[in-house]
Amino acid sequence: DTGVSQDPRHKITKRGQNVTFRCDPISEHNRLYWYRQTLGQGPEFLTYFQNEAQLEKSRLLSDRFSAERPKGSFSTLEIQRTEQGDSAMYLCASSLTTSVEYNEQFFGPGTRLTVL
Amino acid sequence: QKEVEQDPGPLSVPEGAIVSLNCTYSNSAFQYFMWYRQYSRKGPELLMYTYSSGNKEDGRFTAQVDKSSKYISLFIRDSQPSDSATYLCAMRRVPHSGAGSYQLTFGKGTKLSVIP
Repeated sequence: DTGVSQDPRHKITKRGQNVTFRCDPISEHNRLYWYRQTLGQGPEFLTYFQNEAQLEKSRLLSDRFSAERPKGSFSTLEIQRTEQGDSAMYLCASSLTTSVEYNEQFFGPGTRLTVL
Repeated sequence: QKEVEQDPGPLSVPEGAIVSLNCTYSNSAFQYFMWYRQYSRKGPELLMYTYSSGNKEDGRFTAQVDKSSKYISLFIRDSQPSDSATYLCAMRRVPHSGAGSYQLTFGKGTKLSVIP
């Protein structure tokens, strides 16, 4: 399967713990995005990378959240001191910059986080 | 008011019916309009995208964009039980148009059930 993969698929943690998620984009895709989706809502943009550079961060990305893409391939999203409000599906997407303006974002299956 | 409004439903139709889904938006900078399908506990997958105003057809699916009314629609003809999913509209600005030009802004999603 050459799609976007995310690990783990499910994570249950206690309030106050730190968690880290991993995303492996489609090979050679230079752009990588993180979104968060809560129950009954559409995905909301968190941040995006072009290669290893983090170019944009949403106001939703509080100081407890940090994302990295150290070698321009896989990315990690860490949440420190988790709160119950962090419970959501965390989606990763990737796209390839081409000469055309529109480049599809391909989504992974998501990591479902439950904070008890 | 959210930038993108979408009736969450649920919407239940008999097999073979024509389904009409729609979204309204407030940001006139949006130029790309997408429809994603999301099955339960999966990531969204792109169905269709349209640039600016107009219609686009792909098999049983037709997307319409009316920028003057800030209104987009997705029509599904001859609906099948396999079409049962949540349909998300999403929008984006043109690239290189400043902060936020690569992020997708989603509606809440409409949950569709097609009954055999």
